[in-house]
Amino acid sequence: EPEVTQTPSHQVTQMGQEVILRCVPISNHLYFYWYRQILGQKVEFLVSFYNNEISEKSEIFDDQFSVERPDGSNFTLKIRSTKLEDSAMYFCASSEFRTSGGETQYFGPGTRLLVL
Amino acid sequence: AQSVAQPEDQVNVAEGNPLTVKCTYSVSGNPYLFWYVQYPNRGLQFLLKYITGDNLVKGSYGFEAEFNKSQTSFHLKKPSALVSDSALYFCAVRGGSGTYKYIFGTGTRLKVLA
Repeated sequence: EPEVTQTPSHQVTQMGQEVILRCVPISNHLYFYWYRQILGQKVEFLVSFYNNEISEKSEIFDDQFSVERPDGSNFTLKIRSTKLEDSAMYFCASSEFRTSGGETQYFGPGTRLLVL
Repeated sequence: AQSVAQPEDQVNVAEGNPLTVKCTYSVSGNPYLFWYVQYPNRGLQFLLKYITGDNLVKGSYGFEAEFNKSQTSFHLKKPSALVSDSALYFCAVRGGSGTYKYIFGTGTRLKVLA
């Protein structure tokens, strides 16, 4: 069964450093998402991406964050200058299509980011 | 604004007994509701969804959920719990018309005791 994959599974970085989190969505999916889950808190939406552009973003997704689909398979989240509060589990998701709302988003296993 | 609530942080149930994990929602417009499960060190796995139609939705691993419009609830159920069902369960709702983001509940940890 096809699944979303993410690398690395864990990343430790120093405050102020740039990190790139990578995702390979399911191959025939067209819509991509990033969510994050701070330890012990709920899963929060960051951004959605379609047709090489951001379609929606949350208040969390400020200028420190950017997303890119550099080739036909990868989808990346870059945090330019990490802060302590960026420490979280980051989930990538993808969906095949968008109907009137019933599409299912399929999630990857996550990247646990720790900012020291 | 769309929201979901999972009123229980943890649910304990004996193996073989029926289980219920509660979720209530608040939406404007049609609700699109989802259940996901998270096992340790794994991502969120899709279990089932309600879009329209039958109020009883069947999903993966023997789980089902009942959509109740009058009570604005979407409780997850299973007739006979397994120890392997122990995990973190998340209810989610689509964020509303014009958006495709999911809004998640805080999660309920299910512990099935042997």
